[in-house]
Amino acid sequence: DSGVTQTPKHLITATGQRVTLRCSPRSGDLSVYWYQQSLDQGLQFLIQYYNGEERAKGNILERFSAQQFPDLHSELNLSSLELGDSALYFCASSVGGGHPTEQYFGPGTRLTVT
Amino acid sequence: TQLLEQSPQFLSIQEGENLTVYCNSSSVFSSLQWYRQEPGEGPVLLVTVVTGGEVKKLKRLTFQFGDARKDSSLHITAAQPGDTGLYLCAGFNDYKLSFGAGTTVTVRA
Repeated sequence: DSGVTQTPKHLITATGQRVTLRCSPRSGDLSVYWYQQSLDQGLQFLIQYYNGEERAKGNILERFSAQQFPDLHSELNLSSLELGDSALYFCASSVGGGHPTEQYFGPGTRLTVT
Repeated sequence: TQLLEQSPQFLSIQEGENLTVYCNSSSVFSSLQWYRQEPGEGPVLLVTVVTGGEVKKLKRLTFQFGDARKDSSLHITAAQPGDTGLYLCAGFNDYKLSFGAGTTVTVRA
């Protein structure tokens, strides 16, 4: 158990819908990272927040957005969902926001868009 | 196109054999990490290498970072069934971690 929690574990929704994925980092960690893992693209970095502020952006679509709240939990919002958005979404956390940093990954949310 | 190319894509060996996984890129990374991921779980960090030419040993696992900081290798000695999993290399630059596609390792008892 990494100490990072993600909810829900599974999510099935239809194209065009909007969903919210939630992540609670390890106690004491200030950084939260979001990743997408699919069979064709592998594990892709989406976005990082450090203590409530956006720190780095990766291959995140405009239809996706994220935020980190004062209690340090984070949410990833996915809208206008397409079939290709079906994937595993991982959240990771670390103490600091720089590099190299040890990131602890949560168990993931499996999103299926039908 | 992956920034980091891993080879081989799949590796199946008998318990007790040795194996090596390679991670190559045309880009220079400030540091490189190796993770192992098991089905239904998130990746777990195995090691971070920072200095070109660095070699780190963790029990039966040996990690090497290339002199030019563009490539790395993971060598497992006397593999055990518990070593089965997806091995991912990941390079750090500009606060971003870029992952390779992974090598699926199966160790048969």
